[in-house]
Amino acid sequence: DSGVTQTPKHLITATGQRVTLRCSPRSGDLSVYWYQQSLDQGLQFLIQYYNGEERAKGNILERFSAQQFPDLHSELNLSSLELGDSALYFCASSVEGDTEAFFGQGTRLTVV
Amino acid sequence: GENVEQHPSTLSVQEGDSAVIKCTYSDSASNYFPWYKQELGKGPQLIIDIRSNVGEKKDQRIAVTLNKTAKHFSLHITETQPEDSAVYFCAASASGIKAAGNKLTFGGGTRVLVKP
Repeated sequence: DSGVTQTPKHLITATGQRVTLRCSPRSGDLSVYWYQQSLDQGLQFLIQYYNGEERAKGNILERFSAQQFPDLHSELNLSSLELGDSALYFCASSVEGDTEAFFGQGTRLTVV
Repeated sequence: GENVEQHPSTLSVQEGDSAVIKCTYSDSASNYFPWYKQELGKGPQLIIDIRSNVGEKKDQRIAVTLNKTAKHFSLHITETQPEDSAVYFCAASASGIKAAGNKLTFGGGTRVLVKP
């Protein structure tokens, strides 16, 4: 167990809908990262937050947004969902912004 | 941006033999190279990492080597066991550079099967 908690574990929703994925980092970790894992794209970095502020941005779609709250948990919001958004979404956390990252178990999103 | 290539994509070894996975990276600013093991239905698990000021690092049956000049790094697993069967990912990042944060660029993964 990495100490990073993601909810829900599975999510099935229809095209056009909006969902929110939640991540609680390891105790003491200030950085939260979101990654998307799909069969054709592999593990892709989406976005990083450090102590509540956006730190780095990857290939995150405009339909997706994230935030990190004062208690350091983070949420990834996915809207206007398309079939191609079906994937595993992982959250990772680290103590500082430049050290080893530990991953949660992921949320499997299925868009039908 | 950074690009990480990983080979082979699949690797089948006999129990007790060694397994080697190789990765190359493109960005000379990358200075942190972790390896992750992902089992079915689980998230990636950090198994070993190396920073650019070190050429080799070992942890029991696992070792990682880094050649900065050639921009490649490798994972070596000795005395493989059935529980080593999983997908392994290499990654690279330019940690410590504020603008880049610590985003990891991953290789495509290697599916390792250890046959008893």
